[in-house]
Amino acid sequence: QSVLTQPPSVSGAPGQRVTISCTGSNSNIGAGFDVHWYQQLPGTAPKLLIYVNNNRPSGVPDRFSGSKSGTSASLAITGLQAEDEAEYYCQSYDSSLSGWVFGGGTKLTVL
Amino acid sequence: QVQLQESGPGLAKPSETLSLTCSVSGASMSSSYWSWIRQPAGKGLEWIGRIYSSGNTNYNPSLKSRVTMSVDTSKNHFSLKVSSVTAADTAVYYCARGPSYSGGWFDDWGQGTLVTVSS
Repeated sequence: QSVLTQPPSVSGAPGQRVTISCTGSNSNIGAGFDVHWYQQLPGTAPKLLIYVNNNRPSGVPDRFSGSKSGTSASLAITGLQAEDEAEYYCQSYDSSLSGWVFGGGTKLTVL
Repeated sequence: QVQLQESGPGLAKPSETLSLTCSVSGASMSSSYWSWIRQPAGKGLEWIGRIYSSGNTNYNPSLKSRVTMSVDTSKNHFSLKVSSVTAADTAVYYCARGPSYSGGWFDDWGQGTLVTVSS
């Protein structure tokens, strides 16, 4: 069981908007630690998608955005495309565990 | 662009020690943190540990008693050893750059290497 909770799956049609939630606690997200998001395409390594809650590395389309509030964070993807079909993971730091933690991952299916 | 490449045996026997190396190119290892992360088949990601270029380490408390990391900046690589392995240690192992602080993230990742624990 992961420290950060994500829905196992979400889906949407091309062009639609989807959101993926990441719920933590007062020892990680709620303690003020930043949230980061990764995209893992099938058979490949995770790739940094969003850092420090809502920042995109160079090359990541602005269709991807992040937000954080209280003990939760969210990843939003607008204008859904077939190539967005992947597993998405949130990540933060947990002070109780003294280490970096990940969500369990959310599989995005583009219908 | 930093590139990372994991290498090591793809098979380890139960109770023995798993050893992997991550070769870094495209950037100096100095003044940076480097991590190992693993992913069992069909499951999520687990941070294993982090090492600074000076050799200072932080380990996941759940694995701390079995994990040792080392770094050789002159050869641009860092290494992972996990002792007393069991089938539960079977996973794809990734090396990555970062995090540089508690709230930090993992910048760049290797392609991953599958390690199977089996007799």
